[in-house]
Amino acid sequence: AQSVAQPEDQVNVAEGNPLTVKCTYSVSGNPYLFWYVQYPNRGLQFLLKYITGDNLVKGSYGFEAEFNKSQTSFHLKKPSALVSDSALYFCAVKAAGNKLTFGGGTRVLVKP
Amino acid sequence: DSGVTQTPKHLITATGQRVTLRCSPRSGDLSVYWYQQSLDQGLQFLIQYYNGEERAKGNILERFSAQQFPDLHSELNLSSLELGDSALYFCASSASGTDSYEQYFGPGTRLTVT
Repeated sequence: AQSVAQPEDQVNVAEGNPLTVKCTYSVSGNPYLFWYVQYPNRGLQFLLKYITGDNLVKGSYGFEAEFNKSQTSFHLKKPSALVSDSALYFCAVKAAGNKLTFGGGTRVLVKP
Repeated sequence: DSGVTQTPKHLITATGQRVTLRCSPRSGDLSVYWYQQSLDQGLQFLIQYYNGEERAKGNILERFSAQQFPDLHSELNLSSLELGDSALYFCASSASGTDSYEQYFGPGTRLTVT
């Protein structure tokens, strides 16, 4: 069975500071990893994905994520957070032939 | 705007009733996925259709069913509704059924069962 863990329910960061949202996964075989963001009363928006290749993946809105196979992690990062980045972030994993499994979500609050 | 549309936005109904949620995927997308989001269960995959055929099943109750029509829109039917079925129901679509393709989500239908 595959699983995703987002160990922090909430992350608080000051505007302009670096933002990190943690994600670890468990899957048999090579993982396909995704990050989505959900704003209030909206659907999930795709941010970025790792399929293969370079471990550092760049995505939308200045976000990036680093795939670490040995630590089975796929942490989301942004060098300088904005107040508008405040939202709910979901990490998701998929192995070949399997359904997409989401983590429990991490709420990010960026304070001015 | 993801290009995925869902109707209705909100639905309030009573226990024991039956409702139908509708989803139109992004233009050209062949795969449609249904998810349920609730506070206690998080985001749960229900079912996937690819070009009209059921491709994968998740935690979908027997009281729930779905189908994808020739024009690729999809409907999720929920019957004998219970209070616990109150949730946000999302539809998502992707270009194909290939694992590496990201999914694009609609705005959701908020179902309230009273």
